[in-house]
Amino acid sequence: AQSVTQPDIHITVSEGASLELRCNYSYGATPYLFWYVQSPGQGLQLLLKYFSGDTLVQGIKGFEAEFKRSQSSFNLRKPSVHWSDAAEYFCAVAPNQAGTALIFGKGTTLSVSS
Amino acid sequence: DAGVIQSPRHEVTEMGQEVTLRCKPISGHNSLFWYRQTMMRGLELLIYFNNNVPIDDSGMPEDRFSAKMPNASFSTLKIQPSEPRDSAVYFCASSRGQGYEKLFFGSGTQLSVL
Repeated sequence: AQSVTQPDIHITVSEGASLELRCNYSYGATPYLFWYVQSPGQGLQLLLKYFSGDTLVQGIKGFEAEFKRSQSSFNLRKPSVHWSDAAEYFCAVAPNQAGTALIFGKGTTLSVSS
Repeated sequence: DAGVIQSPRHEVTEMGQEVTLRCKPISGHNSLFWYRQTMMRGLELLIYFNNNVPIDDSGMPEDRFSAKMPNASFSTLKIQPSEPRDSAVYFCASSRGQGYEKLFFGSGTQLSVL
């Protein structure tokens, strides 16, 4: 069965510093890959997704992610973090077929220090 | 667009009582998902409907849980009888198209079973 691993439960980054959140997936073929963000007390919001093509994907709020097939990874990056980026971030995977739902990782909580 | 609407936002009940959570998906979306979020297990898919038909209910924990989607604009998740271990945040999400499309999440129902 497919699975998603986010190795880091909690990360603290200084405001203005760069950010990388890790995500590894387990699936035989190339799945569809997603990053979602959850602010406190809110539902999840899609940041970006990868289906095929260019392995570097741009998303909202200045985020990007790179798909690396050889490493089964889909890490999320941002060059300069803002205090408003403090939230919980979820990586998700869906098998490359119709009629399936997303499977989420357990999330990484991002704290931003001033 | 009003977004995905869930009610109630908070529910506190006693063990053994019946709990009904409600969801109104975004108009025009034909896929609907119920997820449960806990600290220990993260976001778990409970059930996925497409065109009002349950496609995948393998995540429903046990017979105490049931979900219905009588029409395209309404779904319920019922727990009967409720138990303390059911305490969690329950999210409803909808999407246009197949299960891997962009999900729009409601704000969730915080359920506490005492």
